[in-house]
Amino acid sequence: EPEVTQTPSHQVTQMGQEVILRCVPISNHLYFYWYRQILGQKVEFLVSFYNNEISEKSEIFDDQFSVERPDGSNFTLKIRSTKLEDSAMYFCASSLGGTTPYNEQFFGPGTRLTVL
Amino acid sequence: AQRVTQPEKLLSVFKGAPVELKCNYSYSGSPELFWYVQYSRQRLQLLLRHISRESIKGFTADLNKGETSFHLKKPFAQEEDSAMYYCALIRGSTLGRLYFGRGTQLTVWP
Repeated sequence: EPEVTQTPSHQVTQMGQEVILRCVPISNHLYFYWYRQILGQKVEFLVSFYNNEISEKSEIFDDQFSVERPDGSNFTLKIRSTKLEDSAMYFCASSLGGTTPYNEQFFGPGTRLTVL
Repeated sequence: AQRVTQPEKLLSVFKGAPVELKCNYSYSGSPELFWYVQYSRQRLQLLLRHISRESIKGFTADLNKGETSFHLKKPFAQEEDSAMYYCALIRGSTLGRLYFGRGTQLTVWP
């Protein structure tokens, strides 16, 4: 069964450094998402992406964040200058469509980002 | 504003006992409600959605618009049900942004 994959599984970086988190969505899916979960807190939406552009972004997704689909398979989240508070588990998700019943989001295993 | 509340952070029951995981939401429109589950060392996966009105792994959930609730129930819990359960909502008008509750860790003792 196809799955969303994410690399790396764990990333450690210094404050102020740039990081790129990578995701490979399920191949025939059209909608892509990033969420994050700070330890002990709820899963929070960051951004959704469709047809090569951002569909929606949350208040968390400020100018330090960007997303890209550089080729036909990868979907990346870039944080330009990491802060301590960016330490979290980052989940990528994809869905076939945007409306019921095709809007089931399939999640990747997550990338744990630790900012020192 | 929309909000999903799961009042119990932890819930423990014995095998064979009924279990109910509570979820309340606030949203003025017509939401779509989901339960996601995360077993130990596994990824988040959809358990069920209110629109399909089906039973998955013995779990059911009914959307009660009057009480704005979407509680997850199972009459006889099994040890393999131990997991983190998240209630989530999509607003009717969006493409699919999920609003999650904080999750309930269910432990089923033998």
